[in-house]
Amino acid sequence: GDSVTQMEGPVTLSEEAFLTINCTYTATGYPSLFWYVQYPGEGLQLLLKATKADDKGSNKGFEATYRKETTSFHLEKGSVQVSDSAVYFCALSANNNDMRFGAGTRLTVKP
Amino acid sequence: DAGVTQSPTHLIKTRGQQVTLRCSPKSGHDTVSWYQQALGQGPQFIFQYYEEEERQRGNFPDRFSGHQFPNYSSELNVNALLLGDSALYLCASSVGPLDADTQYFGPGTRLTVL
Repeated sequence: GDSVTQMEGPVTLSEEAFLTINCTYTATGYPSLFWYVQYPGEGLQLLLKATKADDKGSNKGFEATYRKETTSFHLEKGSVQVSDSAVYFCALSANNNDMRFGAGTRLTVKP
Repeated sequence: DAGVTQSPTHLIKTRGQQVTLRCSPKSGHDTVSWYQQALGQGPQFIFQYYEEEERQRGNFPDRFSGHQFPNYSSELNVNALLLGDSALYLCASSVGPLDADTQYFGPGTRLTVL
């Protein structure tokens, strides 16, 4: 079945460092891909999404490109801030709202 | 505009008991999905309700059941609780059952089974 595998972490970076969190997927069709963020004690917030190959999702300085040839959707940010500390989830949905999530990557940014 | 709301925030139960969790969708949304998020894991899909019917179901036993009301709010019921049911239960709402792009998540209900 459809699944997502993401880099497990935890990841610890200094402020202003470059961030990459790897995500690869397995799907029979052409899913939409998502990155969600979960701050401590809160629910999931949609960070960005891409619905077809070569689309780039972006929000708050984060970017991810839907790469069909490598079945990947890696999350990147050029300069992280302390406020970016959270758990990041990669997810896919094959247009049926049954979203499949990765295990999550905990990011800690130190000043 | 209130987003997705869930109640209660926290809940403690003992093994064998039954529990009901509640969810009110975002205004304008008519579809509710439920997820279970175990500690340190990603959310897992339980089921989805649309037009007061269960439309899709993940790999969860029949102890997990739900209901959707005419105002689109929803309940998740879990019978015969097990220790392994301890988790954060997330509700997500969307416009229609096929549009994951509009899915919004609530803050969750933390269930602890002792």
